[in-house]
Amino acid sequence: GNSVTQMEGPVTLSEEAFLTINCTYTATGYPSLFWYVQYPGEGLQLLLKATKADDKGSNKGFEATYRKETTSFHLEKGSVQVSDSAVYFCALSSNSGNTPLVFGKGTRLSVIA
Amino acid sequence: GAVVSQHPSRVICKSGTSVKIECRSLDFQATTMFWYRQFPKQSLMLMATSNEGSKATYEQGVEKDKFLINHASLTLSTLTVTSAHPEDSSFYICGIVASGRNEQYFGPGTRLTVT
Repeated sequence: GNSVTQMEGPVTLSEEAFLTINCTYTATGYPSLFWYVQYPGEGLQLLLKATKADDKGSNKGFEATYRKETTSFHLEKGSVQVSDSAVYFCALSSNSGNTPLVFGKGTRLSVIA
Repeated sequence: GAVVSQHPSRVICKSGTSVKIECRSLDFQATTMFWYRQFPKQSLMLMATSNEGSKATYEQGVEKDKFLINHASLTLSTLTVTSAHPEDSSFYICGIVASGRNEQYFGPGTRLTVT
């Protein structure tokens, strides 16, 4: 079945550091890929998505590129801020979103000033 | 603004009692709603898929008689945890698929603690 593997956390970075959170997936066909963010005490918010190979999703300075050859969707940000502290979930859907999502375990990011 | 609401946000109940969690779609009609469960430091796991006007489809290992789902309208789905036990303590999150859209929106979650 479909699965998502993302790097274990927690990740602690200083403000303005470069962030990479690795995510790889296993899926049949051509899934859509997502990154969700969960701020403390809140629900999940869609951060970015990509629906086909080589697509790059971007939002709020975060980027991720759908790499079919390496089955990866790594999340990156060039300069993190304290306000980016949250849990980040990589997820996939077998189509563009109206089927259940399969989530990775989440990576907790803490950014210190 | 919020697209999906959940109520309550937190609930503590005694073992053996039942708890109802509501998930409301505020901006869209939702023909399909998903219920997920998140244990501490774990990922979200799909429990069931709820379709308006029909019976919910449960994932393997999820007891349908224990986790009652009612998708009564295009804007409301409820999850009732019956005869709750401490091992049911978890974070429950609903996700909706808005009619005509290919994107899933999530509620803020309900933290259930069973003592």
